[in-house]
Amino acid sequence: DQQVKQNSPSLSVQEGRISILNCDYTNSMFDYFLWYKKYPAEGPTFLISISSIKDKNEDGRFTVFLNKSAKHLSLHIVPSQPGDSAVYFCAARRNTGKLIFGQGTTLQVKP
Amino acid sequence: KAGVTQTPRYLIKTRGQQVTLSCSPISGHRSVSWYQQTPGQGLQFLFEYFSETQRNKGNFPGRFSGRQFSNSRSEMNVSTLELGDSALYLCASSLDVGTNEQFFGPGTRLTVL
Repeated sequence: DQQVKQNSPSLSVQEGRISILNCDYTNSMFDYFLWYKKYPAEGPTFLISISSIKDKNEDGRFTVFLNKSAKHLSLHIVPSQPGDSAVYFCAARRNTGKLIFGQGTTLQVKP
Repeated sequence: KAGVTQTPRYLIKTRGQQVTLSCSPISGHRSVSWYQQTPGQGLQFLFEYFSETQRNKGNFPGRFSGRQFSNSRSEMNVSTLELGDSALYLCASSLDVGTNEQFFGPGTRLTVL
């Protein structure tokens, strides 16, 4: 039972344009959502998070949007840079429960 | 401040063997979680330890076990290895249970032949 889903395995974007990575979830009890970035041969690194009481959180070029009614969150990267090329995972948790991750989306930013 | 370290980085085993992986969390972090990453499956949660006690557990068979020591270092063990256990095993540490930001180590790449 995949409670967190990233339906796009890959995304290719031109440098300077916007990258939009999507994530859907099924459990309405999730109260915290996170995005992680992973480069090859490294562990995931925390990028940005959002609480379920908010619908937007911004940190520099990264913005996460949460649509609770649609059980959908997205990560916007503006402008995209070649160094952003990595695998992006969304994750969700309820209270102090375990973090549940999506399958990941590979982002390629072309110069 | 040193990051999360995992040893060994690479491991090759054969079916039926057992394996022990080690994780040293960031100094001061008391919670350690383990994940299995396989292509197409993302990161699957194995278990979380805090103060030497397992606090959360994922949906893995009993062949997967773990423990945490008084210095917060953690080990996970997989017995009777199967081909499907080939994966990247990631350890993450955080200050406390339920702390949202987890810091990951580089992982141990396990190959079962």
